[in-house]
Amino acid sequence: KNEVEQSPQNLTAQEGEFITINCSYSVGISALHWLQQHPGGGIVSLFMLSSGKKKHGRLIATINIQEKHSSLHITASHPRDSAVYICAVRYGSGGSNYKLTFGKGTLLTVNP
Amino acid sequence: DSGVTQTPKHLITATGQRVTLRCSPRSGDLSVYWYQQSLDQGLQFLIQYYNGEERAKGNILERFSAQQFPDLHSELNLSSLELGDSALYFCASSVNLGPNRDMITVNEQFFGPGTRLTVL
Repeated sequence: KNEVEQSPQNLTAQEGEFITINCSYSVGISALHWLQQHPGGGIVSLFMLSSGKKKHGRLIATINIQEKHSSLHITASHPRDSAVYICAVRYGSGGSNYKLTFGKGTLLTVNP
Repeated sequence: DSGVTQTPKHLITATGQRVTLRCSPRSGDLSVYWYQQSLDQGLQFLIQYYNGEERAKGNILERFSAQQFPDLHSELNLSSLELGDSALYFCASSVNLGPNRDMITVNEQFFGPGTRLTVL
């Protein structure tokens, strides 16, 4: 069964700390997404990766295709980073369909 | 603001009823995706439409159906509602331009604000 595992499930940090959230998947993928969901429920797409590394402000996402693993890093964390972070993958090598499989999410709380 | 709109924001209905959720994608986006988020199951992919055609199907119940209209907006129809259908329903859109109709370029998805459905 194609699954997406995230760790940790819950993470509490102090403002300013460096944060890492991990995502593992079981078989080959063509894309991996990192999403952010705030307490109000809205979902924002942070990154879409198929290889290597991407950076946007204080957020960095990396993917290791051989190890089937991705990490989301937040540098100099801030209370406004408090949210659920969700990893999602597109299994398969391409084609016209685009089905995402989601991890269960990591609840991040950053205290001031 | 992602540019994706969903209506209604909240919907409260009774078991056995039928509801329609509406999604308008970002201008220029050809693909629309529907997702269900419940407390016990998390986010689940339901269905994808690309330029009016169904392209991928996930864990969508037979009581649920969707379509994408010529103006690219999409509707998700939920019928014979059960208590367990209570969830957040998200729509997302992406551009998905490929070299031919059988290939979809991997594109970022933009999510709407969701419709919270409560079945009593």
